[in-house]
Amino acid sequence: NAGVMQNPRHLVRRRGQEARLRCSPMKGHSHVYWYRQLPEEGLKFMVYLQKENIIDESGMPKERFSAEFPKEGPSILRIQQVVRGDSAAYFCASSPGAFNQPQHFGDGTRLSIL
Amino acid sequence: DAKTTQPNSMESNEEEPVHLPCNHSTISGTDYIHWYRQLPSQGPEYVIHGLTSNVNNRMASLAIAEDRKSSTLILHRATLRDAAVYYCILITGGTSYGKLTFGQGTILTVHP
Repeated sequence: NAGVMQNPRHLVRRRGQEARLRCSPMKGHSHVYWYRQLPEEGLKFMVYLQKENIIDESGMPKERFSAEFPKEGPSILRIQQVVRGDSAAYFCASSPGAFNQPQHFGDGTRLSIL
Repeated sequence: DAKTTQPNSMESNEEEPVHLPCNHSTISGTDYIHWYRQLPSQGPEYVIHGLTSNVNNRMASLAIAEDRKSSTLILHRATLRDAAVYYCILITGGTSYGKLTFGQGTILTVHP
């Protein structure tokens, strides 16, 4: 049973470009979470999605960031017009249900902005 | 969610038991105690969780104080692979989904 798959593992972008991070949850999991870990800082919640719905995006910057989890296919975290401060590790997690369910994490995408 | 307090760092020797403490004096009756760990260059990994009773699984044991104001994660025989940052997180059960609020955690160093 494959775990949470994130790709790419490493992504390099120049300032002003777009970054697309993909997350395929574990089989049977319909709840997806995105977290960001800035250099030398802790993990911070960004957004929580269920299939086709954003449930909580309270941790996501209001501009340039968006997330989706379509009926078919992986969840996508999209960052438009990237800036140096977006350099971080982005982790996706999935769970089979909403309440009190352990989350299974992927190994993250390391985003570097030149 | 209620706040947790953990030591910044701890050290252990290989094959010895490790007791990682967590204080959560403002815990409410419906808060579950979850533990995750993050190995270097990897995503966090779920370790164990409990509500009131002590819990055991293949990875660790969780000892919860009778008043629930503190808990201890126990690794029975530390290995080099257990070197990681350990996070103690409270989640309100039944009424809030599992959005995880990570603190600074405890950096565990395991010596050969």
